[in-house]
Amino acid sequence: AQSVSQHNHHVILSEAASLELGCNYSYGGTVNLFWYVQYPGQHLQLLLKYFSGDPLVKGIKGFEAEFIKSKFSFNLRKPSVQWSDTAEYFCAVTGGAGNTGKLIFGQGTTLQVKP
Amino acid sequence: DAMVIQNPRYQVTQFGKPVTLSCSQTLNHNVMYWYQQKSSQAPKLLFHYYDKDFNNEADTPDNFQSRRPNTSFCFLDIRSPGLGDAAMYLCATIPAGGTLYNEQFFGPGTRLTVL
Repeated sequence: AQSVSQHNHHVILSEAASLELGCNYSYGGTVNLFWYVQYPGQHLQLLLKYFSGDPLVKGIKGFEAEFIKSKFSFNLRKPSVQWSDTAEYFCAVTGGAGNTGKLIFGQGTTLQVKP
Repeated sequence: DAMVIQNPRYQVTQFGKPVTLSCSQTLNHNVMYWYQQKSSQAPKLLFHYYDKDFNNEADTPDNFQSRRPNTSFCFLDIRSPGLGDAAMYLCATIPAGGTLYNEQFFGPGTRLTVL
């Protein structure tokens, strides 16, 4: 069965610090990868997605992620975080045999940015 | 201009008292999902509809049922809520005509409290 693992459960950074959140998935076939963000009190929003092509994908608000197939990873990065980036971040994957579009989520990483 | 609407945003029910959560969408999306997100956990798929075809996840308890009377609306019925069913319930959709590889659009969720 597919699974997604996020290495960091809780990250605290100061403004302007660089961010990297780790994500690994378990499925070896074709997958589609997503990062979602959930700001306090708001719904899940898509940050970026990877389906195929350039493994370095750019999303909204200055975020990017790199798909490394050999490492089964899809880490999220941002060069300089802002206080407004404080949120919960979820890595997710779909794909595999009989794909139903079902999202398998990682456990989530809570990012706290100190002003 | 809300796209995926969930009502109510907060629902309190008593142990064993049936409750219904609703989801509506204004985008004519043909695939609708229901996820359960418990505190500090990742969202977990309960079931989904592809048009009128209902697809239940293998580990979704029988206590949870769903109805989709038309394209726009989908309901989650919890027949006899237990304390362990307290969670955020998320509805998500995929655009009509799109593949199952598209991003999912999430509603704001309904937070269910069971007393």
